[in-house]
Amino acid sequence: AIRMTQSPSSFSASTGDRVTITCRASQGISSYLAWYQQKPGKAPKLLIYAASTLQSGVPSRFSGSGSGTDFTLTISCLQSEDFATYYCQQYYSYLQTFGQGTKVEIK
Amino acid sequence: EVQLVESGGGLVKPGGSLRLSCAASGFTFSSYSMNWVRQAPGKGLEWVSSISSSSSYIYYADSVKGRFTISRDNAKNSLYLQMNSLRAEDTAVYYCARDSDGSGPVDYWGQGTLVTVSS
Repeated sequence: AIRMTQSPSSFSASTGDRVTITCRASQGISSYLAWYQQKPGKAPKLLIYAASTLQSGVPSRFSGSGSGTDFTLTISCLQSEDFATYYCQQYYSYLQTFGQGTKVEIK
Repeated sequence: EVQLVESGGGLVKPGGSLRLSCAASGFTFSSYSMNWVRQAPGKGLEWVSSISSSSSYIYYADSVKGRFTISRDNAKNSLYLQMNSLRAEDTAVYYCARDSDGSGPVDYWGQGTLVTVSS
């Protein structure tokens, strides 16, 4: 199975910060990558698919980039509602896999 | 409005069985591939299984292959997960999730149903 590795696993940031989360695939996955946001006790929410396409209704401060094995999720100006855990997911393989998650906490 | 409502979770002993259901509404169920994704307490997301719109293609994670069976009834707008030979490590919230375009990203999730495997 394709292994997805996110970094960092967690970090603290302040409202207004620009933050970047990295996701690395164990083999090339073209642009078959999605990003999700999950808040405690809630189901995940799709933010970005095809590595860089913003899901309808998602604020433009979220952006994604990358292809092949290295991908990033960037939040340009962190808002209070953005403190959550973020997951990447590859769907290049029919055996889909998620990264282990990155928790963004308030500094 | 798209809605996915899971049911069937609960407490089961190791080695036991459970069947999860997901009732879908607000979209043409028969046109979409569907997934089960789980999350162990305090842990990350784990994809469990996928089924294509007509049930022609079915896939399982290695961790559940041979023990779990995914199925669907398009006439009833329902998705199922039959779980046999349950283990403690199967304890998780199980989410029913709609595949956005047949290729993988999930655009809608249910609220989840908790399965606890314990003696």
